[in-house]
Amino acid sequence: SFELTQPPSVSVSPGQTARITCSGDVLPKSYGHWYQQKPGQAPVLVIYKDTERPSGIPERFSGSTSGTVLTLVISGVRAEDEADYYCQSADDGVRKFGGGTRLTVL
Amino acid sequence: QAHLVESGGGVVQPGRSLTLSCAASGFPFRSYAMHWVRQAPGKGLDWVAVISYNGGQTYYDDSVKGRFTVSRDNSRDVLYLQMTRLRPEDTAVYFCARTSDHGASDYWGRGTLVTVTS
Repeated sequence: SFELTQPPSVSVSPGQTARITCSGDVLPKSYGHWYQQKPGQAPVLVIYKDTERPSGIPERFSGSTSGTVLTLVISGVRAEDEADYYCQSADDGVRKFGGGTRLTVL
Repeated sequence: QAHLVESGGGVVQPGRSLTLSCAASGFPFRSYAMHWVRQAPGKGLDWVAVISYNGGQTYYDDSVKGRFTVSRDNSRDVLYLQMTRLRPEDTAVYFCARTSDHGASDYWGRGTLVTVTS
């Protein structure tokens, strides 16, 4: 089994850049994905394959990876970006989510 | 536009069984792997199981292995999760999700709530 570790919370002011990290030993060999979840709603995929952005996701969302750390970057944060963010990866067919990061827009 | 609708949730006693369904529409269901993901009240996302496009391969989280079984009926575009020997810690909203070749889940249902309590 493997683990993905995220900080519980990140806070930024509107217009600033938010960076949410996800660390795990599996990340150098498996793709990571990011999901946004707002209260009472299903998750929404915002980044897949470490750095790819699905159609319909604003350009201010981007992803990067370096070794065992995956990073979700939200540039020019807006109030509507306040949500929980989860990373996900896989190893030998088994998937895992990180514990989630609550993004607060001050 | 892909559409997924879960059903079958409810209140069940510990040790009993329950089967969830996920009806798919708007895409070629038989071409996609499908996942079950759950979320306990106030907690994070918790991956449960995955089934390949043709049902030939399945994988489970250790917490449900041997108790839960994922299956699919590609002739009816339906995904199932048979849950046996339920425990209070299985209480959660259960989501089904479509997974594309890149491994990420790009469409999700709205979930169905399972409550395990005596």
